[in-house]
Amino acid sequence: EADIYQTPRYLVIGTGKKITLECSQTMGHDKMYWYQQDPGMELHLIHYSYGVNSTEKGDLSSESTVSRIRTEHFPLTLESARPSHTSQYLCASSDLETQYFGPGTRLLVL
Amino acid sequence: AQSVTQPDIHITVSEGASLELRCNYSYGATPYLFWYVQSPGQGLQLLLKYFSGDTLVQGIKGFEAEFKRSQSSFNLRKPSVHWSDAAEYFCAVGAGNNDMRFGAGTRLTVKP
Repeated sequence: EADIYQTPRYLVIGTGKKITLECSQTMGHDKMYWYQQDPGMELHLIHYSYGVNSTEKGDLSSESTVSRIRTEHFPLTLESARPSHTSQYLCASSDLETQYFGPGTRLLVL
Repeated sequence: AQSVTQPDIHITVSEGASLELRCNYSYGATPYLFWYVQSPGQGLQLLLKYFSGDTLVQGIKGFEAEFKRSQSSFNLRKPSVHWSDAAEYFCAVGAGNNDMRFGAGTRLTVKP
């Protein structure tokens, strides 16, 4: 099973602040993903990457951006946080077929 | 387009009772099917997966699931539920790429 790390686990921040959610994996997976999860809802893919310097937007429109400069690192950035960004953010990486998830970051924007 | 339906939003069972969580999917090709479990404040942990072969698959923590192509279902079962099984369970379909689709989840409560 993959080892996926996300920091911070919890974040409370004011409107307008810039934030970066960190995600790292130690399995050498080329594919990585960011999902947004709200209570009672399915996971929504917001970004994915198939390798270094490759990033794509997912199904759910998001004001966040991502980068993939190193295989193991896939950070997500919000330039100006808003209350509508309050959610749980899950990072995942995959081998050929299976996605493995990190513990998530729960974000609250006041 | 692929989709996943978990008809039960919330299920309550007594500890020691059997459990079945339902999952129906829509997928254009032979599906890869997954069940994940999420404890409060945690990420998703893979319970089991089906790609091909034997339609009854065994997973961790005593869970199993059966793929029924004719019913487009992939139901999760456990013969005897433990209090520690209380969590949210997600069914997913796809090929591990950006086309993965997750159900909305079934929350399991275990009564003592």
